Amino acid sequence: KQEVTQIPAALSVPEGENLVLNCSFTDSAIYNLQWFRQDPGKGLTSLLLIQSSQREQTSGRLNASLDKSSGRSTLYIAASQPGDSATYLCAVNKAAGNKLTFGGGTRVLVKP
Amino acid sequence: DGGITQSPKYLFRKEGQNVTLSCEQNLNHDAMYWYRQDPGQGLRLIYYSQIVNDFQKGDIAEGYSVSREKKESFPLTVTSAQKNPTAFYLCASSIDRNYGYTFGSGTRLTVV
Repeated sequence: KQEVTQIPAALSVPEGENLVLNCSFTDSAIYNLQWFRQDPGKGLTSLLLIQSSQREQTSGRLNASLDKSSGRSTLYIAASQPGDSATYLCAVNKAAGNKLTFGGGTRVLVKP
Repeated sequence: DGGITQSPKYLFRKEGQNVTLSCEQNLNHDAMYWYRQDPGQGLRLIYYSQIVNDFQKGDIAEGYSVSREKKESFPLTVTSAQKNPTAFYLCASSIDRNYGYTFGSGTRLTVV
């Protein structure tokens, strides 16, 4: 059974510092991996989708890498801003079927 | 604008009562999903449907029921058999797994 872990569970950084968020998964037979942002009491907003054949994806200040063989993905947020404060969730879509398995999330606070 | 609409935003249920959460999408997506989120935890899959008139149980289907009579709609009923229904419920859809998932804004259900 696929298990997805995000460490740390919470993280606080001063504004301007780069953020590094980690996601690990136990079964490397994945189809793709998706990073989401969730603000308190809100739904999920998709940030980046990485296919299993890709090593990384970039969108503005966000960059996500994928190392399928080691079961890891990292989300980098450059030059963090207070507006980046949110919970970040990674989710893995396994090779068979179309269902996401989620990590527990990393709650980020960017201090002005 | 295309998207997923969940209603109501807040719902209160009395003990022994069944309640139905609405999820409507105008994205022309084939697959739809229901997730439950508890404080400090990741999302857990309740039910999913890949096509109209077909659905499968997810990891925590007990005490819930769904229907998929139209492509656009995937309502979730929380029955009285669900002993701990207080949670945040999220609906999602995808056209196929190459394009990732889109989420609604959620319904917060509270037992009173």
